[in-house]
Amino acid sequence: AQKITQTQPGMFVQEKEAVTLDCTYDTSDQSYGLFWYKQPSSGEMIFLIYQGSYDEQNATEGRYSLNFQKARKSANLVISASQLGDSAMYFCAMRGTGGFKTIFGAGTRLFVKA
Amino acid sequence: DTGVSQDPRHKITKRGQNVTFRCDPISEHNRLYWYRQTLGQGPEFLTYFQNEAQLEKSRLLSDRFSAERPKGSFSTLEIQRTEQGDSAMYLCASSLGNLGNEQFFGPGTRLTVL
Repeated sequence: AQKITQTQPGMFVQEKEAVTLDCTYDTSDQSYGLFWYKQPSSGEMIFLIYQGSYDEQNATEGRYSLNFQKARKSANLVISASQLGDSAMYFCAMRGTGGFKTIFGAGTRLFVKA
Repeated sequence: DTGVSQDPRHKITKRGQNVTFRCDPISEHNRLYWYRQTLGQGPEFLTYFQNEAQLEKSRLLSDRFSAERPKGSFSTLEIQRTEQGDSAMYLCASSLGNLGNEQFFGPGTRLTVL
C-alpha cells in the first residue's frame, strides 16, 4: 500500500530564512510522482513542485526545491528566503504508476515569523 | 476564470437529506478527481474519472455516495441520507493524462450536516 508520512505537525521559521519540510513515502511502484501542495487559510490547494521517480535532478521552482533521496524514500520540500505569505499548510503527495490515485500526507503547518 | 469551479461553496443540510455537488474541471483536462478533506487532515481520495469512465472508487465511498461524469465534462457527487460524519470539505481536481501533470484543485464545497 502507498503511504505518505509528514512527521512535523507544525514548523516555525524566521522571515527570510530557509526551512525544510519533511516527507517520507512508501510504495512498491517503480514509477511514481511526488508533489507538494500549499493550502493557505483560504482553503485552496496550490501546486508547488513535482518530482518524478526517474528524475535524476532535484526539482526546483523558484524559491521551492525538492530534496529527493530515492533510497531513503524521502522527498523534503525546501523553501528558501521565507516570506510571511508562506504561512500555510503544506501537503506532500504521491501518485503511482496508475497515474490517478493520489495519496496525501497529513500536512505540516508552517508559521513564518516577522 | 478558466480554473476548476465547484458549486455550491457551502452547504448546510439536516441529517438524512440528500445533497449534490457539482464540479466543472478545466476544459481540456480528461481526468477528474473527488477528494474529501476533514479539519487538520490531508485530502482523502474518493473517486476518479477518465473522461466519462469512473475508473476507481475508494473504500471510503460507501453506497450512499455516487459520482457521475456523464459527458466527460462536469461531474456531480451525490450523498444520500447524509450523516454527521459526512461533514467535510469536498474537493474536486482535474488534470491532463500524464503521471507528472499536477492536479488543479477547485475551491471546494464545505458540507455541514446538522
